[in-house]
Amino acid sequence: NAGVTQTPKFRVLKTGQSMTLLCAQDMNHEYMYWYRQDPGMGLRLIHYSVGEGTTAKGEVPDGYNVSRLKKQNFLLGLESAAPSQTSVYFCASRPYGQGVDQYFGAGTRLSVL
Amino acid sequence: GEDVEQSLFLSVREGDSSVINCTYTDSSSTYLYWYKQEPGAGLQLLTYIFSNMDMKQDQRLTVLLNKKDKHLSLRIADTQTGDSAIYFCAESNAGNNRKLIWGLGTSLAVNP
Repeated sequence: NAGVTQTPKFRVLKTGQSMTLLCAQDMNHEYMYWYRQDPGMGLRLIHYSVGEGTTAKGEVPDGYNVSRLKKQNFLLGLESAAPSQTSVYFCASRPYGQGVDQYFGAGTRLSVL
Repeated sequence: GEDVEQSLFLSVREGDSSVINCTYTDSSSTYLYWYKQEPGAGLQLLTYIFSNMDMKQDQRLTVLLNKKDKHLSLRIADTQTGDSAIYFCAESNAGNNRKLIWGLGTSLAVNP
């Protein structure tokens, strides 16, 4: 059981380039989340999804787009990367219901030069 | 809005107890969580407590909740060097699409 898998693990982009981060979960979870983690800022929610075909904005959505075409996958896109998007990105998923935790991927370390 | 606050650093000696504190503002919180993040890794749930409880114990971990003061603490007994990590406090309630509101994390350093 792989849990939550993020690809790629590392990436270096030039300003203005685009890329897509993939999050895949094999636990049939309804909810999926994308966070970014920056020093001194903790975890900040970018976008989330409460089910296949749905997405919603989190705390810091600007500059990112997401899609949830399949229940098991949640994609995070950067259309035109900026140095301010240098960060570590975490994906998480959880099943429906209270008192259940979010399962995290190992993270994607992104540098934008 | 909702907010979760934690002290940023804690240093203890190996074998001592560690106490990490957290305060939150959302009076409708239903669950409060402690997550652990080791260097270069994702977050892992350590334990959680339901808001109608005031204490939960799990091996070396003790969670205390003071709902009146909106204060949560995590006590690690007999702290080991392997406990060195960042510890995040988080809360959720039924009305926010199960989003977690996160503290900034407390970096725990365990000295031999």
